[in-house]
Amino acid sequence: SQKIEQNSEALNIQEGKTATLTCNYTNYSPAYLQWYRQDPGRGPVFLLLIRENEKEKRKERLKVTFDTTLKQSLFHITASQPADSATYLCAPPAPPGNTGKLIFGQGTTLQVKP
Amino acid sequence: DAGITQSPRYKITETGRQVTLMCHQTWSHSYMFWYRQDLGHGLRLIYYSAAADITDKGEVPDGYVVSRSKTENFPLTLESATRSQTSVYFCASSRGLATDTQYFGPGTRLTVL
Repeated sequence: SQKIEQNSEALNIQEGKTATLTCNYTNYSPAYLQWYRQDPGRGPVFLLLIRENEKEKRKERLKVTFDTTLKQSLFHITASQPADSATYLCAPPAPPGNTGKLIFGQGTTLQVKP
Repeated sequence: DAGITQSPRYKITETGRQVTLMCHQTWSHSYMFWYRQDLGHGLRLIYYSAAADITDKGEVPDGYVVSRSKTENFPLTLESATRSQTSVYFCASSRGLATDTQYFGPGTRLTVL
């Protein structure tokens, strides 16, 4: 069955550095992938969507890449700030590829230290 | 702008009791979703609805019942609560399915004793 894997270990980085989070998927090829941010005690909030024909998508300090050969999406935050500390979830659609129901990864918690 | 709201925000109940979690959205979004979030499992889809009176199962539907008589409301009922249903429940809505953003409510923390 399809599997979404995000690094379960927290990522700790220093303010000003670039944070890179990984999302790997197996056993299928999603047509797109969404990234969400979740703060403690709150619901996820949408950040970016990248389609399979887009190699890269940017929004302010955020950048997402989508490598269909490696079956991987990378999420970058440049010039990170303590306010970026949160859990980041990747969410490709459920198979067969474009049904619209999302499968959420477990998320990676980012901690940015001042 | 209220957006999407859930009630109650916190609920403690006992095994065997019926519990209903409410979800209300003000955008007239067609699609609504119920997820549960547990440590080690992430967000898992319980049920979703494409429109009023149209619902379908997600990944973990057992023990839950949903209804959608009005577009804006999507209640989730635990007919006979079990301890394994202790979780944080999130409701979400979106305009469509394909690539549309899902907008999440603030969540309901349910504890079943």
